[in-house]
This record gives sequence, C-alpha cells and structure tokens, in this order.
Amino acid sequence: SAVISQKPSRDICQRGTSLTIQCQVDSQVTMMFWYRQQPGQSLTLIATANQGSEATYESGFVIDKFPISRPNLTFSTLTVSNMSPEDSSIYLCSVSDRGNYGYTFGSGTRLTVV
Amino acid sequence: QKEVEQNSGPLSVPEGAIASLNCTYSDRGSQSFFWYRQYSGKSPELIMSIYSNGDKEDGRFTAQLNKASQYVSLLIRDSQPSDSATYLCAVNKAGNAGNMLTFGGGTRLMVKP
Repeated sequence: SAVISQKPSRDICQRGTSLTIQCQVDSQVTMMFWYRQQPGQSLTLIATANQGSEATYESGFVIDKFPISRPNLTFSTLTVSNMSPEDSSIYLCSVSDRGNYGYTFGSGTRLTVV
Repeated sequence: QKEVEQNSGPLSVPEGAIASLNCTYSDRGSQSFFWYRQYSGKSPELIMSIYSNGDKEDGRFTAQLNKASQYVSLLIRDSQPSDSATYLCAVNKAGNAGNMLTFGGGTRLMVKP
C-alpha cells in the first residue's frame, strides 16, 4: 500500500492565523481525501482532492475556510484559515491506492488553536 | 439516522475472550466495508475489508457482512491487551467526487489482562 508522509505532526497556533498541512505520497494516486477528527469523535470527510480540478467539499465545509491544493498526483495541501479554538482537531489525509480495496491514512496533524 | 452506526462502548472483555464489534449502515448501495483500528493519538490502520455476504477470516480477525440486514461485524478471537483500541467501521459509497469512505463513531475496546 501507499506510504503517506504528513506534516507537521502537530502545531499550536494563535487564533486568526492559518496553517497549511502537507501530504506527500510515495506513488501516484488519483484521489486524495482530507478528514477531520475532533476530540473524542470519529472521522469526518472535509473534501476530496483530484489533480487538475477543484476539490469537492462535503456539507459544512467551504473552500474559503479549508482551501486545498493538488498540484500533482503525489502531493496535496490543506490550509485551515482564520483559525478559532473550534478548529482544534486532528487532520488526516488519506488515499485510495487500491481502489475499493483499502484506504491508507497519513500519520495526522494534531492542531491546537489558542 | 446516522449513515454508519456503532456502539461507542467501551466494550470490555477479558484476555483470551472473543470480542464482538457491530456496525450498521443506512445506504443499501454501499459496496465495500472496512474495519480500522485506531490507537490513541495514532491514525487509523486498516485491519479488515469485506465486500460480499458471509464471513472473511484473517488470523484472529473475522469480518461478517449481511447486506440484507445492512450489518457488518468484526470478531476478534483470543483477545489480547494490545487489541485495546478504538475500532472504526467504514463504508465505501459513491459521493460527489467518486468513492469515499464514511465512518461510524467507533467502538472503544478494552481487553483486560
């Protein structure tokens, strides 16, 4: 399966600032997914990023708050903009490197907004 | 109704016992079903996938799928303290941008020595 390098692993940020999270995959993948996991909760899909097109956002998530880039088939970034304490979560990228046969996750970014 | 539902637990079992984790889903069009294990502070790790009705065994793990009842389960035999984690059920379905995973809320399993 694919190996995903995600960084930063954690960060503490001031409210009102932005943080960009990067995911690098060791193979070319068509689709990359960005999830949020709030404290004590399960994973919620933020958006799906395809190379060469705009990301598709799930209900409750908007591009202005979570802009995503997907410049090539091995890399994507998620920016959390104008952060507030409610954005404190773990953010995870994921790839479907085996079609319907499995999804691999990055190690996650633990974000704390103060 | 949530799309994928799990009992949050905690489910406590003694070491060596069978742990039974359950999951129901609402979308009859779902095609693929996954169980992930997540240790505290770590990212989810795929442990089982299942696509057709019946049982699928892999070592100490058995996944069971019943599409008519929209039910997926995971059995862990000979449970070990190292199995203590949150188990996430995930269902693959077609979304706006293609296939996507929808997760249940997770069941926390505690295996006591």
